Amino acid sequence: KQEVTQIPAALSVPEGENLVLNCSFTDSAIYNLQWFRQDPGKGLTSLLLIQSSQREQTSGRLNASLDKSSGRSTLYIAASQPGDSATYLCAVWNTGTASKLTFGTGTRLQVTL
Amino acid sequence: DAGVIQSPRHEVTEMGQEVTLRCKPISGHDYLFWYRQTMMRGLELLIYFNNNVPIDDSGMPEDRFSAKMPNASFSTLKIQPSEPRDSAVYFCASSRLAGGYEQYFGPGTRLTVT
Repeated sequence: KQEVTQIPAALSVPEGENLVLNCSFTDSAIYNLQWFRQDPGKGLTSLLLIQSSQREQTSGRLNASLDKSSGRSTLYIAASQPGDSATYLCAVWNTGTASKLTFGTGTRLQVTL
Repeated sequence: DAGVIQSPRHEVTEMGQEVTLRCKPISGHDYLFWYRQTMMRGLELLIYFNNNVPIDDSGMPEDRFSAKMPNASFSTLKIQPSEPRDSAVYFCASSRLAGGYEQYFGPGTRLTVT
């Protein structure tokens, strides 16, 4: 059974810092990995999707990398802003379970002024 | 595109009552997913549909839960009878294809059962 873990569970950084969020998964047989953002009381917003054959994806100040063999992904946020404060979730598709996404536990990020 | 639409946004009900949550997926998306989010268990997939047909309902907690998708633009998740432990945020999501295509989430329905 796939298990997805995110470290740290919570993070507080001052504005302007670059930061890295970590995601690890136990079963490397994945289709792809997706990073989401969730604001308090809101739904999930898709940030980046990395196909299993890719090693990274970039969108603006965000860069996500994937090392399938080691079961790891990182989300790099450059020059953090207070508006980046949210919970960040990673999720993986497994090749053996068709369309099911397995979600990580999330990292709650706070960017302070 | 309006995105995934869910209603109601908040529902407060008494134990034993029937609850119906509604979802309208993004037009053209063939897959629809129902999730439940709690502090204790995080996000869990309850059931998903492909072209209106339920494909995997192994995440549905028990017989009190049922889901239908009568057409491509509408799905319901029903809980009857409701219990306090059903209190959670229920999300609907849709995607164009399966197996690795982006899922788009609705704003969720916050259910409180007293």
